[in-house]
Amino acid sequence: QQQVRQSPQSLTVWEGETAILNCSYEDSTFNYFPWYQQFPGEGPALLISIRSVSDKKEDGRFTIFFNKREKKLSLHITDSQPGDSATYFCAAHDTNAYKVIFGKGTHLHVLP
Amino acid sequence: EAGVTQSPRYAVLQEGQAVSFWCDPISGHDTLYWYQQPRDQGPQLLVYFRDEAVIDNSQLPSDRFSAVRPKGTNSTLKIQSAKQGDTATYLCASSLGWGGTGQLYFGEGSKLTVL
Repeated sequence: QQQVRQSPQSLTVWEGETAILNCSYEDSTFNYFPWYQQFPGEGPALLISIRSVSDKKEDGRFTIFFNKREKKLSLHITDSQPGDSATYFCAAHDTNAYKVIFGKGTHLHVLP
Repeated sequence: EAGVTQSPRYAVLQEGQAVSFWCDPISGHDTLYWYQQPRDQGPQLLVYFRDEAVIDNSQLPSDRFSAVRPKGTNSTLKIQSAKQGDTATYLCASSLGWGGTGQLYFGEGSKLTVL
């Protein structure tokens, strides 16, 4: 059972455009949602995160929008740069069990 | 502060061989996770520990996989009688605290190829 779903699987944008990455989940016990960025040959690294009590979290060019009722969230990357080309994973924490579940990822390509 | 260290970085096996992966978490981190990441997929949780105790190993693929963390610090993930389907990168992550929203810190991973 896939508990965290991401779309699209792959996304290509031009430098300067806004990239929008989507994520949805099924389990209502999930209440913390980090996004991780992964470059080839490296482990994932935390980019930005949001708690379920909030509907928006902003950090520089990265913003998470969260809709608890629909169990959906999205990551917006404004003014995309070629250095943002990476795979982005949406994750969900079940803080009762301290289990962290990842989606399958979105491969982002930013063209100069 | 040293990050999460994993070894070996790469392993190539024939089917039926065994391999062990070692993880040294960030000092003081009480929670340790092992994930399996097949090529072009997201990390899939295998097992996690709080200190030396296994909290959940229900996602280990089969009894060919085992994991230990005997002193609540370093951990070893072992695969016996490897199969081609085990080909993946094995990621170790650690975090501080239990039941909260602790950030996961990942190592670079151990890439396994089973021929």
